[in-house]
Amino acid sequence: QKEVEQNSGPLSVPEGAIASLNCTYSDRGSQSFFWYRQYSGKSPELIMFIYSNGDKEDGRFTAQLNKASQYVSLLIRDSQPSDSATYLCAVKAGGTSYGKLTFGQGTILTVHP
Amino acid sequence: DTGVSQDPRHKITKRGQNVTFRCDPISEHNRLYWYRQTLGQGPEFLTYFQNEAQLEKSRLLSDRFSAERPKGSFSTLEIQRTEQGDSAMYLCASTLDIWNEQYFGPGTRLTVT
Repeated sequence: QKEVEQNSGPLSVPEGAIASLNCTYSDRGSQSFFWYRQYSGKSPELIMFIYSNGDKEDGRFTAQLNKASQYVSLLIRDSQPSDSATYLCAVKAGGTSYGKLTFGQGTILTVHP
Repeated sequence: DTGVSQDPRHKITKRGQNVTFRCDPISEHNRLYWYRQTLGQGPEFLTYFQNEAQLEKSRLLSDRFSAERPKGSFSTLEIQRTEQGDSAMYLCASTLDIWNEQYFGPGTRLTVT
């Protein structure tokens, strides 16, 4: 079992719809969770982070965390073609991991007009 | 604050040659990470510096790889005797504290022919 798993997609949604991206992780000691967006050929760009169970909203983006189920998700409302990218889920363990991030393989999102 | 910078952005080298990459973190960030990303995968952790001290290294970092961060400012990653399997995007990230979010540089894309 991979430490962080994402559905690689591609996930295709129409413009204006809600895109739902999911991620599961195996380490129960994980303390913080990050979503990065990566355009083709570019480096990851931080979208959101979440530390506590529940929802966290930032503009069109909502991150959801359920530590009991070891599940984190990202919702993108009113999806735009410019949201088409790979979305990476990253998990930071606690303890002596020095804050390194463990990434999933990414979900490719395509928003079509 | 100009963000994390990396140099060069692209490097093509022949198998067996040595290459060196540079990363300049965000100025007030004393924590620096190197990651490697291959096509279709999420970034994988390579090594971590706190100031000038290299505190963690991944098993991915074979003895052909060496990283330094003299004076706790910029960092270099050297690969000796490159192999085709070293072809990847090498990403640098920095942060103020291990509990904070990491910001990535634009990456150095290495192609070994």
